[in-house]
Amino acid sequence: DGGITQSPKYLFRKEGQNVTLSCEQNLNHDAMYWYRQDPGQGLRLIYYSQIVNDFQKGDIAEGYSVSREKKESFPLTVTSAQKNPTAFYLCASSFWTGGTGELFFGEGSRLTVL
Amino acid sequence: DQQVKQNSPSLSVQEGRISILNCDYTNSMFDYFLWYKKYPAEGPTFLISISSIKDKNEDGRFTVFLNKSAKHLSLHIVPSQPGDSAVYFCAAQPPNTGNQFYFGTGTSLTVIP
Repeated sequence: DGGITQSPKYLFRKEGQNVTLSCEQNLNHDAMYWYRQDPGQGLRLIYYSQIVNDFQKGDIAEGYSVSREKKESFPLTVTSAQKNPTAFYLCASSFWTGGTGELFFGEGSRLTVL
Repeated sequence: DQQVKQNSPSLSVQEGRISILNCDYTNSMFDYFLWYKKYPAEGPTFLISISSIKDKNEDGRFTVFLNKSAKHLSLHIVPSQPGDSAVYFCAAQPPNTGNQFYFGTGTSLTVIP
């Protein structure tokens, strides 16, 4: 089955620790994205990547880092510099040009900082 | 600065009736709009889209209307079913930005049997 897989689904972290969220897709999509969802707010873009070895900051990139070494994978690291990391994180992918323009989302990862 | 707004956090509708979810945007350059549906602890799933060259797009029970002059779009669900109970997000895309979307805050729809 084609789709996007995020792991872990739930993650707890102590303050001061870095944590990495995994995102893998087998849809052959060029582009991948990380969004953050907080209660009462829309999805906010953290980082996105159009192609391998290239990525761009979104609206709220501070305290986060990403890599895109493979087309299928776009891991997100939440660093200790992120002041309010507790949130629901969503990974998405899409074709960059052409296609329907829609984003395909994973099931999300909920990060809680203790 | 929220460029896409959904001013109704929640909506309750009787089964079989029409559900109307609203979305406003501030950037007149947005040229493509989508609606997503999200169940708890799951990722959003695509529902329906509309290009700015149209004012209406229909897919089964779902219709999206776009009023460019008012910078407003709405999603109509007719007839509403209990399985439609979910959070609905609208999203808007500026031109020539690939697939960068701005999302609204979501409206939680409850369809009462």
